[in-house]
Amino acid sequence: DQQVKQNSPSLSVQEGRISILNCDYTNSMFDYFLWYKKYPAEGPTFLISISSIKDKNEDGRFTVFLNKSAKHLSLHIVPSQPGDSAVYFCAAKGSGGSNYKLTFGKGTLLTVNP
Amino acid sequence: NAGVMQNPRHLVRRRGQEARLRCSPMKGHSHVYWYRQLPEEGLKFMVYLQKENIIDESGMPKERFSAEFPKEGPSILRIQQVVRGDSAAYFCASSPKLAGDYTGELFFGEGSRLTVL
Repeated sequence: DQQVKQNSPSLSVQEGRISILNCDYTNSMFDYFLWYKKYPAEGPTFLISISSIKDKNEDGRFTVFLNKSAKHLSLHIVPSQPGDSAVYFCAAKGSGGSNYKLTFGKGTLLTVNP
Repeated sequence: NAGVMQNPRHLVRRRGQEARLRCSPMKGHSHVYWYRQLPEEGLKFMVYLQKENIIDESGMPKERFSAEFPKEGPSILRIQQVVRGDSAAYFCASSPKLAGDYTGELFFGEGSRLTVL
């Protein structure tokens, strides 16, 4: 049972354009969402997060949008750069006793073409 | 300022052998988490440890897998009698406080890639 879904295994965009990565979740107990970026042969690194009490969080070129009613979040990268080429994982965690556990999606491979 | 250190980076074992993966958390971090990434999958939680304590091992397979975080030294994930299905990337992460108590992210190591022949 996949509680966090990234339905696009890959995405290709041109340098300078917008990249939009999508993520859906099924568990209504999730209240905090994170995006991680991963280069080949490296560990995931934190990119940006959002609490369920917000609908948008922005950090430089990266913006995360959360639609709680649709159980959907998206990561926007503007403008996209070749160095953004990586696998992006959406992750979620809930409140309560196991609030330290992250549930990850399968990832989306972003390729930014020069 | 060393990050989370994992070794070995790559490990090859034959079926039935034992695999030991080590993780040294970031300086000042006392909470360690292990995640496994099977091919074509996302990372899945395995276990959460503090010094000398296993807090939550609900993601660990019931047999052959064990983890520890001794008072001195790194955290160790041990897989006995490995099978081909254990081939995966094993990531260790650490946090300065319980990850759920603050909204900060986990800091991941570069992973240990286990291949079982």
